Amino acid sequence: AQKVTQAQTEISVVEKEDVTLDCVYETRDTTYYLFWYKQPPSGELVFLIRRNSFDEQNEISGRYSWNFQKSTSSFNFTITASQVVDSAVYFCALRVFSGGYNKLIFGAGTRLAVHP
Amino acid sequence: NAGVMQNPRHLVRRRGQEARLRCSPMKGHSHVYWYRQLPEEGLKFMVYLQKENIIDESGMPKERFSAEFPKEGPSILRIQQVVRGDSAAYFCASSPGTLNADTQYFGPGTRLTVL
Repeated sequence: AQKVTQAQTEISVVEKEDVTLDCVYETRDTTYYLFWYKQPPSGELVFLIRRNSFDEQNEISGRYSWNFQKSTSSFNFTITASQVVDSAVYFCALRVFSGGYNKLIFGAGTRLAVHP
Repeated sequence: NAGVMQNPRHLVRRRGQEARLRCSPMKGHSHVYWYRQLPEEGLKFMVYLQKENIIDESGMPKERFSAEFPKEGPSILRIQQVVRGDSAAYFCASSPGTLNADTQYFGPGTRLTVL
């Protein structure tokens, strides 16, 4: 089965706190890609990062960092020193090459509220 | 370089009417994907198209829903005889190809409300 689980439905933090959003995935594919997307209140989907299954190096981009652990099938996302503008729904997604065609499988999303 | 464009952004229909949602992929992208997001849920894959071909429609309801991506013009997702349960945000994404390395870029979505 191909599945993405984001167990945290909602997280509420105060500005400047660090916050980690969890993502656990299931797939039988040996080659796959993992993504994070941000959906701000305006509703569009903003691509944040793509990680392939062969690259377990952690990545940092400004206040954002991602921790990919193949052993636990997790791809967690940390925001350091959160800001009000980080308030959004964050989706983790898995891309499998199912049937020869790419399709994205999304988690249910984690709603992050950052309060001043 | 314009991103993925969708129109309309908001669409209101009464039960039984037809809804037509349009998607223009990014320049140079020939692959289009449609996803549906029900309220408070993640996105669910509906259909994948290339120019003039439906490649995978496994996520699309068998009745009332259809999609096309003609040689010229945008991709269209058509919902006939809409019902209240069709109320959702419909997102289109595009990519240049099917390689695993290709990222799908999303449009702003069309929010369909069925009264």
